[in-house]
Amino acid sequence: GIQVEQSPPDLILQEGANSTLRCNFSDSVNNLQWFHQNPWGQLINLFYIPSGTKQNGRLSATTVATERYSLLYISSSQTTDSGVYFCAVELGDSGAGSYQLTFGKGTKLSVIP
Amino acid sequence: AAGVIQSPRHLIKEKRETATLKCYPIPRHDTVYWYQQGPGQDPQFLISFYEKMQSDKGSIPDRFSAQQFSDYHSELNMSSLELGDSALYFCASSSGTGGSEQYFGPGTRLTVT
Repeated sequence: GIQVEQSPPDLILQEGANSTLRCNFSDSVNNLQWFHQNPWGQLINLFYIPSGTKQNGRLSATTVATERYSLLYISSSQTTDSGVYFCAVELGDSGAGSYQLTFGKGTKLSVIP
Repeated sequence: AAGVIQSPRHLIKEKRETATLKCYPIPRHDTVYWYQQGPGQDPQFLISFYEKMQSDKGSIPDRFSAQQFSDYHSELNMSSLELGDSALYFCASSSGTGGSEQYFGPGTRLTVT
């Protein structure tokens, strides 16, 4: 199956700092999504970004599908940004009816005041 | 905007008992997915339904079964519960299948004692 690797696995930031999270995947994909899992366990959709660049407030994401990676940028980090950030992909050549998301192991972000 | 609804949010069961988790997708979404997230793990795909038919199957134990009803809500039935079934269970929905953005519910936290 498709391999999804996220880096770094852990990240500690001072409030106000910027960061870049990376997601590498091993095959072509139909779908790529970034999620934030908050300390209460909820998975929050951040971006649906199979290709290109998107921005939403202090967050932005870029996927370069031809080179099989995606980046999530967090600027001016806040303590509420703490949690685990997951990248998840849907295999491109998945055949009829196979549209599951495969998740990476996540990046655990801690933002300290 | 309406989101995916899951019930119950928390469930405590004893070993060998049964549990039923319910999922109500976003209105007009025709595809439902179930994922299981163990402690400290990334979410793992269990099963999906498109237009009330099973569309894909992942690492779902034989003790688990699921279905999608005529109103598109879905239920995950879990029997002979084991301690290892303790996890967060997420339901997600999408409009259409391949390449469609998946929207996740808040999850059901199942604890088996």
